[in-house]
Amino acid sequence: GQQVMQIPQYQHVQEGEDFTTYCNSSTTLSNIQWYKQRPGGHPVFLIQLVKSGEVKKQKRLTFQFGEAKKNSSLHITATQTTDVGTYFCAGWTSGTYKYIFGTGTRLKVLA
Amino acid sequence: GAVVSQHPSRVICKSGTSVKIECRSLDFQATTMFWYRQFPKQSLMLMATSNEGSKATYEQGVEKDKFLINHASLTLSTLTVTSAHPEDSSFYICSARTTGNSPLHFGNGTRLTVT
Repeated sequence: GQQVMQIPQYQHVQEGEDFTTYCNSSTTLSNIQWYKQRPGGHPVFLIQLVKSGEVKKQKRLTFQFGEAKKNSSLHITATQTTDVGTYFCAGWTSGTYKYIFGTGTRLKVLA
Repeated sequence: GAVVSQHPSRVICKSGTSVKIECRSLDFQATTMFWYRQFPKQSLMLMATSNEGSKATYEQGVEKDKFLINHASLTLSTLTVTSAHPEDSSFYICSARTTGNSPLHFGNGTRLTVT
């Protein structure tokens, strides 16, 4: 079945350092969404990417959708302690009518 | 906008009893609701997709007779864990969307502990 993998699984960074998580799907995606889940909380929607090669920015966060629409990345510039949490990508494949979540990357930011 | 309310947030029950979890979309009509299960420090595992007025579609390996899903209206879906056992202890989260591949809006989740 469809699999969505994320690397790294964990990442510890010093505050101010950059962070990137990569999302790879075994199948071509119609679109991809990114979510953030704080410890003890529920996933919160960050952004949706639809077009091949699309790049979107939200303040210090940059999201990219691969040309083949099978991978995506989230880059955080100059991390802050408020960035702590687990970041999930979720891929939608045409015809499945559901999102498959990636394995997640847990980010810890050391002050 | 797009608030999803999930109740209860925590429940402790004895082995063999059934537990019902409610998921409500408060300010929008959810044509589809999804139920996920999340183990500690792991990803969200899709259990089933619930469409208003029709039977839920269960993912492979999820027992439909154990996890009963009812989506009676455009704003309410329920998950009933029947004859719960300790291995059913987990974090259950519902999500809802309006149409197509629109963003998912998540409830706060229910932490179920079966003793």
